[in-house]
Amino acid sequence: DIQMTQSPSTLSASVGDRVAITCRASQSINSWLAWYQQRPGKAPKLLIYKASSLESGVSSRFSGSGSGTEFTLTISSLQPDDFATYYCQHSRAFGQGTKVEIK
Amino acid sequence: EVQLVESGRGLVQPGGSLRLSCAASGFMFSSYWMHWVRQAPGKGLVWVSRINIDGSSTNYADSVKGRFTISRDNAKNTLYLQMNSLRAEDTAVYYCARVPPGYSSGLYYFDYWGQGSLVTVSS
Repeated sequence: DIQMTQSPSTLSASVGDRVAITCRASQSINSWLAWYQQRPGKAPKLLIYKASSLESGVSSRFSGSGSGTEFTLTISSLQPDDFATYYCQHSRAFGQGTKVEIK
Repeated sequence: EVQLVESGRGLVQPGGSLRLSCAASGFMFSSYWMHWVRQAPGKGLVWVSRINIDGSSTNYADSVKGRFTISRDNAKNTLYLQMNSLRAEDTAVYYCARVPPGYSSGLYYFDYWGQGSLVTVSS
């Protein structure tokens, strides 16, 4: 089974910062990767699919890149609503999550 | 507007059973693969099960195989998860999730999620 590993587990940042979260697959998954945002007590929300396609209605502050085994979610200028936990996913495999918290 | 609304949350004793429902609206439910994903308190997302458009094909995580059954009633636009022989480690929020068209078999992601239904297994 394919394993997904995210880093870092926690990221401390300030409003306006540019932040990047990495997701690594245990074997090549081409571009079959999605990213989700989850706020406390809420369901996950799709941000990015197929590694770099922005879901309709999602802010352009979010972007995804990568292929093969290494992927990145970048938030260009962190806003207060962006402090949340982010997950990568390849089909049934999820990363363990990255919590973005206020510095 | 696409909506997935779960029901059936509750507290159940170890060894007990519970059925979750996920009522779909705002889209042609019978044309979409559906999944269940769970999240234990303070933990990450874990895939549980999936079902194809007519219910003829299902898959399960090893941790629930033989105990959980996914099903759907397309006439009622509803997805189900029957959970038997529940264990403490099944305690989690359970989400139903929709796969967008064209992504069904081995490669998929979820474009809509329900609000989640808390299942607590404890004596």
